[in-house]
Amino acid sequence: GQNIDQPTEMTATEGAIVQINCTYQTSGFNGLFWYQQHAGEAPTFLSYNVLDGLEEKGRFSSFLSRSKGYSYLLLKELQMKDSASYLCALMDSNYQLIWGAGTKLIIKP
Amino acid sequence: ETGVTQTPRHLVMGMTNKKSLKCEQHLGHNAMYWYKQSAKKPLELMFVYNFKEQTENNSVPSRFSPECPNSSHLFLHLHTLQPEDSALYLCASSQEGVHTGELFFGEGSRLTVL
Repeated sequence: GQNIDQPTEMTATEGAIVQINCTYQTSGFNGLFWYQQHAGEAPTFLSYNVLDGLEEKGRFSSFLSRSKGYSYLLLKELQMKDSASYLCALMDSNYQLIWGAGTKLIIKP
Repeated sequence: ETGVTQTPRHLVMGMTNKKSLKCEQHLGHNAMYWYKQSAKKPLELMFVYNFKEQTENNSVPSRFSPECPNSSHLFLHLHTLQPEDSALYLCASSQEGVHTGELFFGEGSRLTVL
């Protein structure tokens, strides 16, 4: 079967760095996606990894290890506006998106 | 502004009512989706339309009925719903058909069934 796990909630301090992990089990793989969703707003695409390694995009980076079934989203220089839910999603061999339940990130001053 | 507009943003209905949710995308995309989002649960894919043709129906109860008159508009008709159907219903679109994970979501319609 397919399964995605990510922590339910995390807390971090403004200006710090936080890493949100996502582990998955799947029989087929066509990429790993991260989305950001502020409360009451639409989820928005953040990143896409299909090969192993780190993809950097400004303050946000996403890492993938296909052999370990593991990804993380790294947020640097945290700002209050980064308080949101972060959704991990896996695209399987049928090009279906399998979603995690999301990690609610709380930023404290 | 994501280019995907959903109305109404909030809806309260009784179990015997009939209502519809509307989604419009201004991005020129060919694929449109309905998702259900419940608290602390993963997004659940309900329906997929690609070039106006329904390509996915994820065992959704018949009390939910989708309609896609053209590539820019998507409706979800609701009839005889149950309280457990209360959730946020998200519409999304994508540029390259259904084989892309880069979706553009609307802000959702928050549905409460009494």
